[in-house]
Amino acid sequence: QLHLQESGPGLVKPSETLSLTCTVSGAPITSKAYYWGWIRQSPGKGLEWVGSFYHSVSTYSNPSLQSRVTVSTDTSKNQFSLKLTSVTAADTAVYFCARDDLMGSSSRLDYWGQGTLVTVSS
Amino acid sequence: DIQMTQSPSSLSASVGVRVTITCRASQSISSYLNWYLQKPGKAPKLLIYAASSLQSGVPSRFSGSGSGTDFTLTISSLHPEDFATYYCQQSYSSPWTFGQGTKVEIK
Repeated sequence: QLHLQESGPGLVKPSETLSLTCTVSGAPITSKAYYWGWIRQSPGKGLEWVGSFYHSVSTYSNPSLQSRVTVSTDTSKNQFSLKLTSVTAADTAVYFCARDDLMGSSSRLDYWGQGTLVTVSS
Repeated sequence: DIQMTQSPSSLSASVGVRVTITCRASQSISSYLNWYLQKPGKAPKLLIYAASSLQSGVPSRFSGSGSGTDFTLTISSLHPEDFATYYCQQSYSSPWTFGQGTKVEIK
């Protein structure tokens, strides 16, 4: 059974870097059948796709965040991480990691972590 | 970015009734449309993918239809555990975008 678990600080100061890790059990993140990514949810903006990676090689991020987002992997631990720089209060949200199951030219977010709340505040 | 608009934003319904939620895309997305259910404090759960395909393990009272720009999620007979917020999401082009949600409440 696939399981995803987010971890990281729940409080980040403005202008600093948000860092989260997703630990995956039950499937290798190196699989060519899936993307793995981050989605966040805030009261003001609803659900927002943040960024993803494929086959531990290619990474993609939301253009609205692109210059601040880095998605990286640690295949030895079957983990992937999110770094979001220069955070502001607008980055306060619940952050989810999820598997993006590729289906030909489309996809579906079929497995999600439980989510972790990150608050940006001094 | 493709904008997804759901209607209504909320609705009140009784157990056993049929419920329909609509989702409209700002441009054609073929059938690249997914539906999710979310309960408070939990992650979204995939219900329907590719507009009309039922995700494994999801009850058959859920169904989806549509293509192009207009889509529908139907619950044929509302169960107590179905009271939640529902989201549509397009997977036609990056960045993936979501609707603002439809909250289904008990009447």
